[in-house]
Parts: sequence; C-alpha cells; structure tokens
Amino acid sequence: DAKTTQPTSMDCAEGRAANLPCNHSTISGNEYVYWYRQIHSQGPQYIIHGLKNNETNEMASLIITEDRKSSTLILPHATLRDTAVYYCIVRPQGAQKLVFGQGTRLTINP
Amino acid sequence: EPEVTQTPSHQVTQMGQEVILRCVPISNHLYFYWYRQILGQKVEFLVSFYNNEISEKSEIFDDQFSVERPDGSNFTLKIRSTKLEDSAMYFCASSTDFPLVEDGYTFGSGTRLTVV
Repeated sequence: DAKTTQPTSMDCAEGRAANLPCNHSTISGNEYVYWYRQIHSQGPQYIIHGLKNNETNEMASLIITEDRKSSTLILPHATLRDTAVYYCIVRPQGAQKLVFGQGTRLTINP
Repeated sequence: EPEVTQTPSHQVTQMGQEVILRCVPISNHLYFYWYRQILGQKVEFLVSFYNNEISEKSEIFDDQFSVERPDGSNFTLKIRSTKLEDSAMYFCASSTDFPLVEDGYTFGSGTRLTVV
C-alpha cells in the first residue's frame, strides 16, 4: 500500500505557483520521495525526487521538511498543460517497484 | 529525448484469447517493468525484469502472465487466456541502475487492452 497521503484535488490559477503537499510520516532513513504526474491517460511522467535536501530542476522544486515527514512539490508558474494527477511516492533504496496511491488531481484554471 | 515505445496503442481481444503487448525500452536501460491501470483506479505494479529474468512480481502477475525479452530490444507481456477483468491500460517502463537514478523510471504511453 502507498505510504503517502495527498489531498484528493486542488485548483490553481494559471501563472501562479502550485504547491502540492504530501505527508509521509512513516518514511524511513533509506527511502526517497519521488513525484510523478499522469496527464489524462498517458503514462506517468517523472518530475523530481529527493532524499532530504531540497531539489530543483527545470520542471519543479521539491521541499522536504527537516524531519522528512512531509514534502511539497512546487510548480513555480503553472500552465494549463500542468493539469494532471500528481503522485507522491516513497521508494526505498534498492526497491524496484513504484507504489502509486490515488494522487492529487491538480486543475489549472485560466 | 529517449522514449519507451509501446505497441499497439489499443488492442481489442475476445475473452480466452492470448494477447501480446509489446514495448521497446530505452536502449541503455537495464531494468524493465510492466504496470497496469484499470479505468478509474490506481496504477499497479505487475512485474520487473533484469538480466533476462523476473526480479520481482506482484500478486496480480499470476500464471496467466509472462514476460520476455526476445531479441535484446523488445520487451513483451503475454496474457495467456484473457479475462474481462484484464481490461486495462498497460504501461511499460524502463530505468537505468537503481535506485540512485537521476531521472527515475521512464514510462511508455500505454496500450489500452479491451477484452470483450
């Protein structure tokens, strides 16, 4: 079972920052936090991952709290194409599979 | 940007028939996976494959399912005798060495299997 908790849905205005929270209170020391998204019925798309430091790439930023029990994915300037289901996944080091939860359905509004 | 390619995009088959779903992983990836997503439900792991053998499988992946890498480039999922409940979107994925990969898995765009 997924070890994360996310809001079922969120809305954000186009051009604003979208902040998607995720709780992973039972995370252990060797587990990474991954974020994927799924646009409509396409295959999941990798966004970003981290262990304990904040991470940034061309798509998003990942902020992980110091106790690592929660994280926030930030899309700095959301566009309509960012409308998707966003999945926060905790993945142990050495694990092969990804365990998807229900994710957060993010809707970007014009 | 390298892609995982899946064919066909949509497959309709009669119950009880065998079906083979095909995938071409990214060329330098070493790990290959199949996932499925029943309409309206979560994405579920089926199986992972490394060094020409199954390395992990889920409870869903029973004797009706098999995987193969027949020629060094393709990766296939066979369902021996399809059931109505096998109707789903099937996603292939591949990755490089894990777990410290910089870009995680790469998923294909999926094959929608409809069993009638």
